[in-house]
Amino acid sequence: AQTVTQSQPEMSVQEAETVTLSCTYDTSESDYYLFWYKQPPSRQMILVIRQEAYKQQNATENRFSVNFQKAAKSFSLKISDSQLGDAAMYFCAYRRLTNAGKSTFGDGTTLTVKP
Amino acid sequence: NAGVTQTPKFQVLKTGQSMTLQCAQDMNHNSMYWYRQDPGMGLRLIYYSASEGTTDKGEVPNGYNVSRLNKREFSLRLESAAPSQTSVYFCASSEGYRGTDTQYFGPGTRLTVL
Repeated sequence: AQTVTQSQPEMSVQEAETVTLSCTYDTSESDYYLFWYKQPPSRQMILVIRQEAYKQQNATENRFSVNFQKAAKSFSLKISDSQLGDAAMYFCAYRRLTNAGKSTFGDGTTLTVKP
Repeated sequence: NAGVTQTPKFQVLKTGQSMTLQCAQDMNHNSMYWYRQDPGMGLRLIYYSASEGTTDKGEVPNGYNVSRLNKREFSLRLESAAPSQTSVYFCASSEGYRGTDTQYFGPGTRLTVL
């Protein structure tokens, strides 16, 4: 069974600084997808960024980028120029290529942004 | 275009009561999902429907039933609620059942079972 581990329950960053959230996962499959979701206090789950395992290039979405290390099964999220609106809980998630309904989520990292 | 909607937003039940959580999507998506989120934890899949007319168990299906009423609607039923089912419930949908298909989430239902 796949597992996703987020080892940092809480992180904080100064506004305009950069922060990296860690995620590791365990799988025996070679093709899969990895996601980072943001959950603000409103509870709405918002997709931040997605990475296909077969792509070596790290995904980037504006101020958000990932460091995907397939051999190490590591998938960290870097937030540059942090903004107050980035404060939220962040979840790392794994989805198989097939039978994709069975997504696996980590327990989340709460990010605080200090003004 | 409302996306994924859930009703109710909040609910309090007594142990043994039953209720149905409603979910609807207006994106013409084929696949729908029910997750629960316990405090301090990530989402866990309860049931999913890969396409209209099919449903399958996820990671934590015990104590729940689902109905894919039509392509738009996917309901979750608690027949006899237990305190362990106190959680926030999220419905999600995606265009297809492939790993690449983005899941869109509803706003959640906060359920408390006394």
